[in-house]
Amino acid sequence: KQEVTQIPAALSVPEGENLVLNCSFTDSAIYNLQWFRQDPGKGLTSLLLIQSSQREQTSGRLNASLDKSSGRSTLYIAASQPGDSATYLCAGDSWGKLQFGAGTQVVVTP
Amino acid sequence: DAGVIQSPRHEVTEMGQEVTLRCKPISGHDYLFWYRQTMMRGLELLIYFNNNVPIDDSGMPEDRFSAKMPNASFSTLKIQPSEPRDSAVYFCASKPQGADTQYFGPGTRLTVL
Repeated sequence: KQEVTQIPAALSVPEGENLVLNCSFTDSAIYNLQWFRQDPGKGLTSLLLIQSSQREQTSGRLNASLDKSSGRSTLYIAASQPGDSATYLCAGDSWGKLQFGAGTQVVVTP
Repeated sequence: DAGVIQSPRHEVTEMGQEVTLRCKPISGHDYLFWYRQTMMRGLELLIYFNNNVPIDDSGMPEDRFSAKMPNASFSTLKIQPSEPRDSAVYFCASKPQGADTQYFGPGTRLTVL
């Protein structure tokens, strides 16, 4: 069974700093790796999706990398803003089913 | 276009009562997923449907839980009888055939006293 771990569990940075969020997974036979954002009291919003054949994906200030051989993915958020405060979850897609990590709670202070 | 719609948004009930959660997926989406999120276990997949047919219900915790999808625009998750340990946020998500990205609803926060 796929196990997904996210480190750190929580992170607080001043505005303007770059954020680095880590995700590790045990089963390298994933179809894709997805990053989501969750705001308090709301559902999940998809941020980036990396297919198993890809090494990275970029969207604006967000960049996600994938290393299947080591079972790791990293989400980089450049020049953080207070609006980036949220919980970020990664999920491995195996056979159409998403296995989620516990998330990293991010606080960006003005 | 409206996203995934869930009702109610909050539900408080007493132990032993029946609870029914509702979900309307995005129009045209062929897949529908039910998830549960708790502090202890995180976000877990309970069951998913393809074209209204249940494909995998291995995540359903026990027989007290049941899910149906009578048509392409409506699904229910029922708990009978409910127990305090069922307290959680329940999410519904949908996606189109051939796509990988799921679209999540706002969730239903269930509290069982």
